[in-house]
Amino acid sequence: EDQVTQSPEALRLQEGESSSLNCSYTVSGLRGLFWYRQDPGKGPEFLFTLYSAGEEKEKERLKATLTKKESFLHITAPKPEDSATYLCAVGGSGATNKLIFGTGTLLAVQP
Amino acid sequence: DADVTQTPRNRITKTGKRIMLECSQTKGHDRMYWYRQDPGLGLRLIYYSFDVKDINKGEISDGYSVSRQAQAKFSLSLESAIPNQTALYFCATSETGGRTEAFFGQGTRLTVV
Repeated sequence: EDQVTQSPEALRLQEGESSSLNCSYTVSGLRGLFWYRQDPGKGPEFLFTLYSAGEEKEKERLKATLTKKESFLHITAPKPEDSATYLCAVGGSGATNKLIFGTGTLLAVQP
Repeated sequence: DADVTQTPRNRITKTGKRIMLECSQTKGHDRMYWYRQDPGLGLRLIYYSFDVKDINKGEISDGYSVSRQAQAKFSLSLESAIPNQTALYFCATSETGGRTEAFFGQGTRLTVV
């Protein structure tokens, strides 16, 4: 069964304190791994897609990496505006081809 | 204007009432999805549609029904609302399944009292 597990559930950082969020996955035939940002009461906002192990993508203070079993979202020198819930999702090669989401990591960056 | 628009944004309804949540998109995507989000449970798929004639149940479809009126419109109905259907509901679209990102609406906060 396809499964996505994110850790930690919540993370509190000081402004400028770099860290990483983890997304472990089990999927038959990974078609894509996706990172989203979600602000309270709003819809998830797409950040990155990774397709194969070794791939990396960056956007401002965020960098996503992928291995065969997990993905990391590295946050370098975070600012308070980076506070949000970060969601990971995988798309498998099963017949339904739908996205399976993790439960997210709630990130709070304090000034 | 948003690419994926949900109406209403907030709704309070009584137990036993029928309610419809509507979604329209301007992305031109064939695939549309309805998710619900509950604290600690993440996003769970209710129904999905690959085109107007193809509708499929997700992992938590009991108590819900959907209608794909056109490529751009996908509505979710609660035939007889119950309190444990109180949640944040999201509509999403994607170009393909599994390999391209999904685009989400702003959500509908539904409260069943």
